[in-house]
Amino acid sequence: KAGVTQTPRYLIKTRGQQVTLSCSPISGHRSVSWYQQTPGQGLQFLFEYFSETQRNKGNFPGRFSGRQFSNSRSEMNVSTLELGDSALYLCASKGMGTNTEAFFGQGTRLTVV
Amino acid sequence: SQELEQSPQSLIVQEGKNLTINCTSSKTLYGLYWYKQKYGEGLIFLMMLQKGGEEKSHEKITAKLDEKKQQSSLHITASQPSHAGIYLCGADAGGTSYGKLTFGQGTILTVHP
Repeated sequence: KAGVTQTPRYLIKTRGQQVTLSCSPISGHRSVSWYQQTPGQGLQFLFEYFSETQRNKGNFPGRFSGRQFSNSRSEMNVSTLELGDSALYLCASKGMGTNTEAFFGQGTRLTVV
Repeated sequence: SQELEQSPQSLIVQEGKNLTINCTSSKTLYGLYWYKQKYGEGLIFLMMLQKGGEEKSHEKITAKLDEKKQQSSLHITASQPSHAGIYLCGADAGGTSYGKLTFGQGTILTVHP
């Protein structure tokens, strides 16, 4: 059974640009969550999608957005990149039910220069 | 909002020694997750605990959730260099916190051969 796949693994972007990250969950999982990890703030929740609907959102500016497709694959987009957006972006997929295991991908390392 | 505090923040042990990492929550835990992370990489799922008093083991790692469901411990027996990394506890707040896990700040484990 394939795990959670995130692409690309590494990205370098310039301030002001936009970026799209992709996450393919474990087959059969319909919930996908996104997190930002930085040395200063640790792991912070961005948003969660289930069956193409955003059910929960963290405290991030509107420049951070996401979507989920009918095959449960999810993308997150960051517009007008700032230096502070440099981080490891992780996605997690969960199966059905409120207390099920959450599996993470390898992450996308975004560097904004 | 729920907060998780991990202790210690860092730990250096000699190979073969036992060690314990603690995770304390400011609120009742509906689901407590333990992950291991190598620097700059994704989170590796270790265990999930839900019930008060629950204990789970995998290879040389044992995790427990106390009866009151506000504290969890992760114990490693006979540590090996392969155990080195960052250990993170994550909590599911339940209710409408869909997909959102709140994480502790992490415990950095170094194992000297």
